[in-house]
Amino acid sequence: GQNIDQPTEMTATEGAIVQINCTYQTSGFNGLFWYQQHAGEAPTFLSYNVLDGLEEKGRFSSFLSRSKGYSYLLLKELQMKDSASYLCAVRDRGVISSGSARQLTFGSGTQLTVLP
Amino acid sequence: DSGVTQTPKHLITATGQRVTLRCSPRSGDLSVYWYQQSLDQGLQFLIQYYNGEERAKGNILERFSAQQFPDLHSELNLSSLELGDSALYFCASSPHSGGANEQFFGPGTRLTVL
Repeated sequence: GQNIDQPTEMTATEGAIVQINCTYQTSGFNGLFWYQQHAGEAPTFLSYNVLDGLEEKGRFSSFLSRSKGYSYLLLKELQMKDSASYLCAVRDRGVISSGSARQLTFGSGTQLTVLP
Repeated sequence: DSGVTQTPKHLITATGQRVTLRCSPRSGDLSVYWYQQSLDQGLQFLIQYYNGEERAKGNILERFSAQQFPDLHSELNLSSLELGDSALYFCASSPHSGGANEQFFGPGTRLTVL
């Protein structure tokens, strides 16, 4: 099974930097994903880490440490539109069959509010 | 627009009834996933299909069932509905090989059980 923890809520100011942490426990790790979800809308893919280190994509970066079971999402130059829930999700190794993807387990999400 | 479509967008029904939610994956994606998202539960994985076959099961109730058809669209059937089944139901699809295999989510169906 898997256990994923992330803070419930965070608040930051427009233009600032915020770091959203995620810790996980899994029996077979095969990748960590971050998704953004605005209220009532579909989650949208932000980033993917499978090896240790930092992945940068514009204003968003994601870091992974597999030995510590830890990841963070870093959002720079915050904008009002970044107010949303940020979901950490772990993919397990599962049963590897040709061409099939493995299921994701999502954390409860971190609700980020960006203030003017 | 993720390329994943879901119908209907909204569904209001009564307890004890049965409904069917429909999902069409992105062109070329063979895997379809169903999720339930309620206010107090977060995003819960229900079931996965790959090229017509069931591949993984999560927290799916026995009252719920799904299938994936030869044209790769999928349907989620919810029966004997209870008030607690009110939630957003998302479908997602992913490529079948290579890379991150990230899941692309449809816009969801909001189910209200009265």
